[in-house]
Amino acid sequence: SAVISQKPSRDICQRGTSLTIQCQVDSQVTMMFWYRQQPGQSLTLIATANQGSEATYESGFVIDKFPISRPNLTFSTLTVSNLSPEDSSIYLCSVEGMGGEKLFFGSGTQLSVL
Amino acid sequence: RKEVEQDPGPFNVPEGATVAFNCTYSNSASQSFFWYRQDCRKEPKLLMSVYSSGNEDGRFTAQLNRASQYISLLIRDSKLSDSATYLCVVNWGTYKYIFGTGTRLKVLA
Repeated sequence: SAVISQKPSRDICQRGTSLTIQCQVDSQVTMMFWYRQQPGQSLTLIATANQGSEATYESGFVIDKFPISRPNLTFSTLTVSNLSPEDSSIYLCSVEGMGGEKLFFGSGTQLSVL
Repeated sequence: RKEVEQDPGPFNVPEGATVAFNCTYSNSASQSFFWYRQDCRKEPKLLMSVYSSGNEDGRFTAQLNRASQYISLLIRDSKLSDSATYLCVVNWGTYKYIFGTGTRLKVLA
């Protein structure tokens, strides 16, 4: 299994500001995934981040709102920009385990927007 | 039809009971299936993979029915600590995982 360090664990932000979430993995991985989990809902994939190329965004998510960096094979950041109360969610980073199956998750970032 | 569908529950069961959850999926080409456990405000954690032959891990048994396109999770001798949300996850292709909405389980003393 992979060990993923995600921070911050929680934050309270003002409307219109941005929050950057960091994920550090203890091994090199090809892909990193960013998910959003809105209150009472399941996980929705925001984007897939590959080192050295632009992230691939799912329908309904755009780069201007959720810019992602992937500078190397162990690290990624997700920024949630121009925050509104609707962005209040848990954000999770994830990687596949060895063998390409099974997802492992960071501990999540609980974002509250006032 | 939803891609991955679960009964949201909650399933309220007494300690020691046996409880089963089902999860249906719409993509007949899916190859990998998983059950995750998620505690309140925590990240999902892999409980078990689901294989065609079925698999068992202690009190937990997972099975796959490809013909009817569903997977199941059986928990025997429920413990208070089993109270959580159980997420069904289906691999939809390369780097693509679809999550069910989860089934809430409450084990009562």
